[in-house]
Amino acid sequence: DAGVIQSPRHEVTEMGQEVTLRCKPISGHDYLFWYRQTMMRGLELLIYFNNNVPIDDSGMPEDRFSAKMPNASFSTLKIQPSEPRDSAVYFCASSLEGGLWINYGYTFGSGTRLTVV
Amino acid sequence: KNEVEQSPQNLTAQEGEFITINCSYSVGISALHWLQQHPGGGIVSLFMLSSGKKKHGRLIATINIQEKHSSLHITASHPRDSAVYICAVDRGSQGNLIFGKGTKLSVKP
Repeated sequence: DAGVIQSPRHEVTEMGQEVTLRCKPISGHDYLFWYRQTMMRGLELLIYFNNNVPIDDSGMPEDRFSAKMPNASFSTLKIQPSEPRDSAVYFCASSLEGGLWINYGYTFGSGTRLTVV
Repeated sequence: KNEVEQSPQNLTAQEGEFITINCSYSVGISALHWLQQHPGGGIVSLFMLSSGKKKHGRLIATINIQEKHSSLHITASHPRDSAVYICAVDRGSQGNLIFGKGTKLSVKP
């Protein structure tokens, strides 16, 4: 398996533009997580899905952020409109059975570095 | 107060030294993760543990559930161990993690 695949690796956009980040989880993993990493706040959970259903989106900072998982092999994180303070590295991770007990399969993607100017 | 605290924030060691990174947490957890973030930014899961001790090569992770404390040890450290080490706790069975701020380790040759 190629692991968790994120695209793009880098994104530079102007304030006000829509940004879409993409993630392909490991095949068979039933949990998918979106995280954001900044120097100030470190890593933070934004939202996670179980079997394509959003379970907890309390970490999503504002209505400008939305995430979807239309099927088991694809998820998007969208920011509309983007702002300079959204600049961060966004990580996607997937796991099986929540990454606990049965199979330690918690795997991170390589991240998308977003810069909003 | 952060729910997950790591110490030290920064650590510089000479090659070959034994290294310990500490993690304390204030919430009930079902598991604790140690992650390694490379200078290029990629994140790798090192350990997930809920009790006792795990060993992987030169890396050892321990956890004391009663004291709400975990340690990551690196024996015979090497410059390639230079990275940020992040402690993360899972409060439930869902795998959504709360992260410490990380410990930046630099191992000098």
